Amino acid sequence: EPEVTQTPSHQVTQMGQEVILRCVPISNHLYFYWYRQILGQKVEFLVSFYNNEISEKSEIFDDQFSVERPDGSNFTLKIRSTKLEDSAMYFCASSELGLAGEVDEQFFGPGTRLTVL
Amino acid sequence: KNEVEQSPQNLTAQEGEFITINCSYSVGISALHWLQQHPGGGIVSLFMLSSGKKKHGRLIATINIQEKHSSLHITASHPRDSAVYICAVLNYGGSQGNLIFGKGTKLSVKP
Repeated sequence: EPEVTQTPSHQVTQMGQEVILRCVPISNHLYFYWYRQILGQKVEFLVSFYNNEISEKSEIFDDQFSVERPDGSNFTLKIRSTKLEDSAMYFCASSELGLAGEVDEQFFGPGTRLTVL
Repeated sequence: KNEVEQSPQNLTAQEGEFITINCSYSVGISALHWLQQHPGGGIVSLFMLSSGKKKHGRLIATINIQEKHSSLHITASHPRDSAVYICAVLNYGGSQGNLIFGKGTKLSVKP
């Protein structure tokens, strides 16, 4: 069964460093998402991406964050200068393009645990 | 005020019991997801529904759009069902993303 994959599973970085989290969405999916979950808190939406551009982003997704689809399979989240409060689990998800007005189910990757020291 | 409320927050059950987890939301939605999060952190999609009822194995999800309420039922619960169950809604008129998540219900099924 196709699945969303993410690498690395755990990333440790120093405050101020740049990190890139990688995701490989399900191959025929066209919508991609990033979410984060700070330890002990609920999952929060960061950004959605479709047709090589950001479709929607939350207040959390500030100028320190960027997303890219560098090739036909990868979808990346970059944090330019990490802060302590960026420590969280980051989930990638993908969904098919639904027909007009149809919402499609999102499939989640296993997550990348980011620890900023 | 949270837009998505789940109850209970924690639930302990004996193996074999019938379990119900509730989700209420305050916004207009186009769809509701039930997700399962295991102790390792990974999230698995269980259901997406916008009306009525869906069943998959021992799991049943129902939604009442008028009452803005959904329930997830687990029949004949098993210790391997132990996980956090999360309700997430897609705001009506929103894009494909921007799911609004509940805080989750932590289920522990004892043998």
